Amino acid sequence: EVQLVESGGGLVQPGGSLRLSCAASGFTFSSYGMSWVRQAPGKGLEWVSGISGSGGSTDYADSVKGRFTISRDSSKNTLYLQMNSLSAADTAVYYCAKGQTTSSSLIRYDYWGQGTLVTVSS
Amino acid sequence: EIVLTQSPGTLSLSPGERATLSCRASQSVSSRYLAWYQQKPGQAPRLLIYGASSRATGIPDRFGGSGSGTDFTLTISRLEAEDFAVYYCQQYGSSPQTFGQGTKVEIK
Repeated sequence: EVQLVESGGGLVQPGGSLRLSCAASGFTFSSYGMSWVRQAPGKGLEWVSGISGSGGSTDYADSVKGRFTISRDSSKNTLYLQMNSLSAADTAVYYCAKGQTTSSSLIRYDYWGQGTLVTVSS
Repeated sequence: EIVLTQSPGTLSLSPGERATLSCRASQSVSSRYLAWYQQKPGQAPRLLIYGASSRATGIPDRFGGSGSGTDFTLTISRLEAEDFAVYYCQQYGSSPQTFGQGTKVEIK
């Protein structure tokens, strides 16, 4: 059974940093692209960042480019999102999502985690 | 960036009725790389349809997708109680991938 379990969310002050993790199980982690997709309170879905199965290709939404870094550790079957220079606009539930191909970004998602809430506020 | 506009914003229907949801793209979506997701309150999205018309694994056949180019439709032939939710379309043919703003299907 595929499972994606996010962690690392919480309350952070504007300008602060946070690292999200997503522990994956039930599939061959290195064979699939993975993404982070966020959802601000009461709003729709926004793709944030993606990484290829090998980890060699990454992609970012313009809204987070230069501030967020996606990475993966296949030895730990874990996906990460390092978030720096956070602002209120980054407040959202962050979902980890498994792609159906090895690509980093232009993919559809067949499994999603339950999400972790990031709140940026003073 | 391809903007996806979903309509209507809210659809009020009764169980057993047919639901027709629209997703219109600002530019042509290449190779029908259009997906639909269902999201219930407090839950993660669930993939329903990919490639505009292919049902994902385990999705009942009352869910159907159609369309090409800039106009796509999700049809739920007969609404069941568990189908009342928010539905999102996603295009994954052009970078960056984008989602529509969602259509809420509520009980009338």
